[in-house]
Order: sequence, then structure tokens, then C-alpha cells
Amino acid sequence: DAGVTQSPTHLIKTRGQQVTLRCSPKSGHDTVSWYQQALGQGPQFIFQYYEEEERQRGNFPDRFSGHQFPNYSSELNVNALLLGDSALYLCASSLVKNEQFFGPGTRLTVL
Amino acid sequence: EDQVTQSPEALRLQEGESSSLNCSYTVSGLRGLFWYRQDPGKGPEFLFTLYSAGEEKEKERLKATLTKKESFLHITAPKPEDSATYLCAVNYNQGGKLIFGQGTELSVKP
Repeated sequence: DAGVTQSPTHLIKTRGQQVTLRCSPKSGHDTVSWYQQALGQGPQFIFQYYEEEERQRGNFPDRFSGHQFPNYSSELNVNALLLGDSALYLCASSLVKNEQFFGPGTRLTVL
Repeated sequence: EDQVTQSPEALRLQEGESSSLNCSYTVSGLRGLFWYRQDPGKGPEFLFTLYSAGEEKEKERLKATLTKKESFLHITAPKPEDSATYLCAVNYNQGGKLIFGQGTELSVKP
């Protein structure tokens, strides 16, 4: 049974560019959450998707947007990249209100 | 303000030297407290969920406990492979948002 998968593994972008990160949830899970983790810090909640709708959002600007597809996979889009957006982006899947299982993450570097 | 604080920030142990990690929280209406293990450059690995004060969970050398204000992760006779960052997170509302602490970096030397 495949766990949560994320792509790409690493990404290098320059300031002002746009990026799309992808996530496939664990088999049987219908909810996807996205987190940003800066070096040496705990993950920070960005938003959560369930039934293709954004259910909850953390304190992130509108530059961060997402989407969930009918097969439950999800994308995280970040526009107008800033140096401070450099981080490990984590996707977690779950059955709604249950334990969240994390993927390996996408390391984003903004130059 | 809802907050999760972990201590210590870093812990160095000798192999076999038991210890405890602390996670204190200030949220109202706790719906669950979660412990994760994270290796460098990887995603967090789920360990335990605790729902109510007095609850305990065990897995190999790890034991998690919960009170109304804090949780402890006890590590008994640790081995070098237990070296990792241990993260604590809480869920407090009807949604799925997890609030994480900053983690405790554990290093176990042979």
C-alpha cells in the first residue's frame, strides 16, 4: 500500500516566479492538508481540502492557493515567490478528523 | 493564544539512558494530541494519538502519556537509531488543523 507521495522532491525557483507542488494521498484517504516547515521549526498549517473544497486555512497570504481533484490528489500553488517561501512543503492525508500521515515533502529553494 | 511548547529543544543521551520529552499546550477544547518522529530532510512519521487525560500509548521503547496541560514522551533504554526530531501537535477544533511545537532534537550516542 503506497503511502503519501509528493512531487517533485526538490525545486529551485527565483523570486517572482510561480510554483506548483503535487500530492497523492494514502489509499483510502479523502482529506489532504498542506504544511510549510522552515528549517529548525515545526510545520505550519497552510490549508486543508476535503470534497474538493478548502475546509480550513492557516495564516498564509492569498499567494498560496490549492486544489483537490476528484481522485483526492491535491496541488499547492504559490505565486510571486519570495525568498522567505524557501522551506520544506509537506502534504498530509487522512480520513476527515483522523490521524494525518505525511509525505516525504518537497524542498523549495527560492533564489 | 493557542500554543504548543516542547522541551528541551535538544537532548543528548547515552545509549541505554532513559529520559522524557515534554509537550505543553494551551488550547481549549483539545480533540487530540499527536506525536511524530522526523528524520532530517524527511516527512514526519506518525507515532501516537492521545485523546483524553490519563491515556497512555506504547510502541517499542516509546511511551506517550497525557494530562490536561501536557504530554510526555518517555524513551526507555534508547538506541542510536532513536535519534531524530520528535514533534508534538494538537488538534483543537472541528477542522483538521494541527498546531505543532518546534520539536525536540534527540541524539543517542553509542
